[in-house]
Amino acid sequence: EAGVAQSPRYKIIEKRQSVAFWCNPISGHATLYWYQQILGQGPKLLIQFQNNGVVDDSQLPKDRFSAERLKGVDSTLKIQPAKLEDSAVYLCASSQGLAGVEQYFGPGTRLTVT
Amino acid sequence: DAKTTQPTSMDCAEGRAANLPCNHSTISGNEYVYWYRQIHSQGPQYIIHGLKNNETNEMASLIITEDRKSSTLILPHATLRDTAVYYCIVWRQGGKLIFGQGTELSVKP
Repeated sequence: EAGVAQSPRYKIIEKRQSVAFWCNPISGHATLYWYQQILGQGPKLLIQFQNNGVVDDSQLPKDRFSAERLKGVDSTLKIQPAKLEDSAVYLCASSQGLAGVEQYFGPGTRLTVT
Repeated sequence: DAKTTQPTSMDCAEGRAANLPCNHSTISGNEYVYWYRQIHSQGPQYIIHGLKNNETNEMASLIITEDRKSSTLILPHATLRDTAVYYCIVWRQGGKLIFGQGTELSVKP
């Protein structure tokens, strides 16, 4: 079974530029999550989708971050404009539903903002 | 969501059992204890979870005290590949995974 795919794996941009990350969850998984992990900290949930609807985006900085999950499969997370403090690893995860919490994580995208 | 407390770091000799403690003294009756681990440069990986009873799977055992205020994750025969950050998380239905700092386990030859 293929795991969660993410691209790119690494990205370096200058502050005020924009960037987008892509995630392809495990086939059949209805729930998709985006996490931000700053160096030395645990992952922090940014947004959670159930199919193509948003379940929780309470910690998403909506003035600069946006995410979508068209057709309830792939998802993109965008940052515009980026700030230095956005430097982090962005992790995508998926699960079969909301009931269980066995989430499967992708390898992440390491973003460096200079 | 209940808060968890874990030691910052631990060492374990290869081949020996690794016992990782977690304190969750404010856990509610409907909250589960979940363990994930994160190997360097990878995403977190689910290990095991439990509510009241002890649990065992192919990766680890989870021992939850009778009052449910603490738990221990046991890796029975640690290998170098078990070197990772281990997260203890308390979760309830409808809630979200809240990762703390975790315990950095170093398995040494």
